Amino acid sequence: SYELTQPPSVSVSPGQTARITCSGDALPNQFAYWYQQKPGQAPGLLIYKDTERPSAIPERFSGSSSGTTVTLTISGVQAEDEADYYCHSTDTSGSYPSVVFGGGTKLAVL
Amino acid sequence: QVQLQQWGAGLLKPSETLSLTCAVYGGSFSDYYWIWIRQPPGKGLEWIGEVNHSGSTNYKPSLKSRVTISVDTSKRHFSLRLSSVTAADTAVYYCARVGSSGGISDGMDVWGQGTTVTVSS
Repeated sequence: SYELTQPPSVSVSPGQTARITCSGDALPNQFAYWYQQKPGQAPGLLIYKDTERPSAIPERFSGSSSGTTVTLTISGVQAEDEADYYCHSTDTSGSYPSVVFGGGTKLAVL
Repeated sequence: QVQLQQWGAGLLKPSETLSLTCAVYGGSFSDYYWIWIRQPPGKGLEWIGEVNHSGSTNYKPSLKSRVTISVDTSKRHFSLRLSSVTAADTAVYYCARVGSSGGISDGMDVWGQGTTVTVSS
C-alpha cells in the first residue's frame, strides 16, 4: 500500500527555521496537505494543495514541493509551534482514491 | 462559523458495533465531503472514509468490510458505524469537513472535538 514517510522528530531552537519533510512516490502527481496537532486537541489544517495557506494561518508556515518530497517550513519558530505535524495525500492506486497520512513528526522547540 | 459536534458510545465490548454521529452547525452541508478519521493512543492519524450530501461513500480498503458511513441531510448529520470491533479499534475518532475547488480537495478544514472509543472486555 502507498505510504508517506515523515521523520519521527525534528528539533529546533526558538527563532530558527524548522523544515519537516514528507516523501511519497505519488507526490509529483498528487497534492499534499499539512496539519498541526497539539496535545489533547484535534488537528488543524496548515497548508493545502502543497503551498496554499488558509487565511488564519500565520505567514511563517509555508509549504513547498519538489519531486517526491513535500516540505513544511516554519520560519522563526515559536514555543507555541511545538506540536505534531502530519502530511496527507491521495492514494490513487486502488479502485477508488483513498486518503493516506504520514506517520507524523514531533517538533520540539528547545 | 462552522462547527462540528460529535457524540457516541465511548466504551464497547469486542464484537460490538461502534456508532458515532457528527452534527454540522453553520455553513453549507451540500458543498463538502464529510469524513471520519481515527487516532489510536500515541499513534498517527488514519482515514476511515467519507460521504457527501447525496450519500456517495468511499472507504479505506482495509476497513471497508466493517464500515458504514451515512448522511442525514435533513438533520445535517453524518454517522459512522464500525462493526465487530476489537481492541485494535480503540482510538480517538474525529469527524471533519473536506472542501474542494475544481474537483480538488482543499483539505480537512473543520474538525469535530474527537470522541474517545475504548474496546475492552
